Amino acid sequence: DQQVKQNSPSLSVQEGRISILNCDYTNSMFDYFLWYKKYPAEGPTFLISISSIKDKNEDGRFTVFLNKSAKHLSLHIVPSQPGDSAVYFCAARAVSSYGKLTFGQGTILTVHP
Amino acid sequence: EAGVAQSPRYKIIEKRQSVAFWCNPISGHATLYWYQQILGQGPKLLIQFQNNGVVDDSQLPKDRFSAERLKGVDSTLKIQPAKLEDSAVYLCASSSGQYNEQFFGPGTRLTVL
Repeated sequence: DQQVKQNSPSLSVQEGRISILNCDYTNSMFDYFLWYKKYPAEGPTFLISISSIKDKNEDGRFTVFLNKSAKHLSLHIVPSQPGDSAVYFCAARAVSSYGKLTFGQGTILTVHP
Repeated sequence: EAGVAQSPRYKIIEKRQSVAFWCNPISGHATLYWYQQILGQGPKLLIQFQNNGVVDDSQLPKDRFSAERLKGVDSTLKIQPAKLEDSAVYLCASSSGQYNEQFFGPGTRLTVL
């Protein structure tokens, strides 16, 4: 039962262009969503989050959009840089879950110089 | 501030052997998590501690996996006996509270032959 899905295993973009990573979820109890970034041989690091009461959150080059009716969120990176090349995980949390995170499968982003 | 420490970083064992992983969370973090990340998948929560008490162990295969958090600080995760499908990266994370940001360690990569 995959409650959080990232259907694109990989994405390749040119430096300076926009990267759009997508995530879908099925559990209506999720009310908080996060994106994590992971480099090889390191643990995931928190990138940006959004509460279900919002539809957009920005932090520098990173913006997360949430469409509750479609149960869909996306991460936009503008402009993309080679250092952004990593695996990106979408995660979701329900209000009654004691903070438990449910992760998607991840998307490998490659930014070419 | 020191991050989450894990050891060993890599471990290779044969099936039916036992193995143990160690985690030292960020100082003062009351909540500790163990995740299993199988290749090509996102991290899956195995067990969550609040101080030295278990909050959620619903996805821990209790017939072979065990975990403890002595004195509410360090934690160990044990597998006995190991199966081929236990090959994965085992990630430890900690947070100052159940709904606060989770900080991940670098993980232990386990290979079961």
